Amino acid sequence: GQNIDQPTEMTATEGAIVQINCTYQTSGFNGLFWYQQHAGEAPTFLSYNVLDGLEEKGRFSSFLSRSKGYSYLLLKELQMKDSASYLCAVTDSNYQLIWGAGTKLIIKP
Amino acid sequence: IAGITQAPTSQILAAGRRMTLRCTQDMRHNAMYWYRQDLGLGLRLIHYSNTAGTTGKGEVPDGYSVSRANTDDFPLTLASAVPSQTSVYFCASSHLPGLGGNEQFFGPGTRLTVL
Repeated sequence: GQNIDQPTEMTATEGAIVQINCTYQTSGFNGLFWYQQHAGEAPTFLSYNVLDGLEEKGRFSSFLSRSKGYSYLLLKELQMKDSASYLCAVTDSNYQLIWGAGTKLIIKP
Repeated sequence: IAGITQAPTSQILAAGRRMTLRCTQDMRHNAMYWYRQDLGLGLRLIHYSNTAGTTGKGEVPDGYSVSRANTDDFPLTLASAVPSQTSVYFCASSHLPGLGGNEQFFGPGTRLTVL
């Protein structure tokens, strides 16, 4: 079966760095997405990785290792507005997105 | 319209009633999707359409139907609602899958409660 695993909840302090991990087992791989979802709102796109390595975009970076079926999202200089759920999703061999359940990130002052 | 819209925002529905959730996008995206999101579970694909005139079943299609008469609209119909269909429903759209990173853009969601 297809499976995306990520921690249910994480807590971090304002100004700090947090890493949210995602492991996946899917039928084929055509890229990995990270989305941010604030409570009561729609998911919004953060990053896309299809090759191994690190993609940096401002305070957010995303890493991919295809051989390990592993990705992480790194958030630096955390702000209170970063409190949200972070969703990992993998595009499978049929180009359908398989979604993880999401990681709820709580930022404390 | 800018982006993707859904209607209604929320709805309380009696079991057994028929309900259509509306979704419209103005980005000229070929592909459109319907998901449901339940607490503790990831987004689950109900139905999708890669282009106008075609539709496909996702992970949880039972009890739902869709149509894609044109590029912009992708309504989702619950023929006879049941309480297990209580959920938040998101419509999304993207360029054709397979063309690079097919980022999906999401509508604001419809919160449906079936009693």
